[in-house]
Amino acid sequence: GIQVEQSPPDLILQEGANSTLRCNFSDSVNNLQWFHQNPWGQLINLFYIPSGTKQNGRLSATTVATERYSLLYISSSQTTDSGVYFCAVAPQGGSEKLVFGKGTKLTVNP
Amino acid sequence: DGGITQSPKYLFRKEGQNVTLSCEQNLNHDAMYWYRQDPGQGLRLIYYSQIVNDFQKGDIAEGYSVSREKKESFPLTVTSAQKNPTAFYLCASSMVPRGGLNEQFFGPGTRLTVL
Repeated sequence: GIQVEQSPPDLILQEGANSTLRCNFSDSVNNLQWFHQNPWGQLINLFYIPSGTKQNGRLSATTVATERYSLLYISSSQTTDSGVYFCAVAPQGGSEKLVFGKGTKLTVNP
Repeated sequence: DGGITQSPKYLFRKEGQNVTLSCEQNLNHDAMYWYRQDPGQGLRLIYYSQIVNDFQKGDIAEGYSVSREKKESFPLTVTSAQKNPTAFYLCASSMVPRGGLNEQFFGPGTRLTVL
């Protein structure tokens, strides 16, 4: 089946710093989503981005489907950005079920 | 409020007992999903349903069962056959894709602990 790899696995930043999280996937996809999991376990939708670029405030994402990767950019990070960021994809030709990466754990220190 | 609700938030089970986790959505979504998350890991799909009275096994269906009698509800039963049931369980829903739009949205989760 499709493989989803996220990097780095852990990231520690000072408040105000910028960061880039990467998601590589091994096959063509119909769907790609980025999520933020908060300390209580809730998965918050950040982007639905099977291709192209989107921005939402301090966050933006780019997916290059032909090269099978997606990037999540966080600018001017805040302590509330801490948590785990997941990338999930739905392979082309299959059902709509999502395959998740293992996540990037982000810690933003004051 | 529109959204996905899961209950209970925390659940404790003795070995050998079956337990049922509730998932309800009022988003008028056709598809619903159950995922399991273990510490430090991503989510893995247990079961999914794209229409009432129909459901499909995911990657780790052994020891679990589901039903989809109503569009709004997709309960998950963790049976005594599940060897390691202690985990965080998340329910999700989405529209059945038309033209490719099938963003999934998640409930707040249920933490199950086997004593």
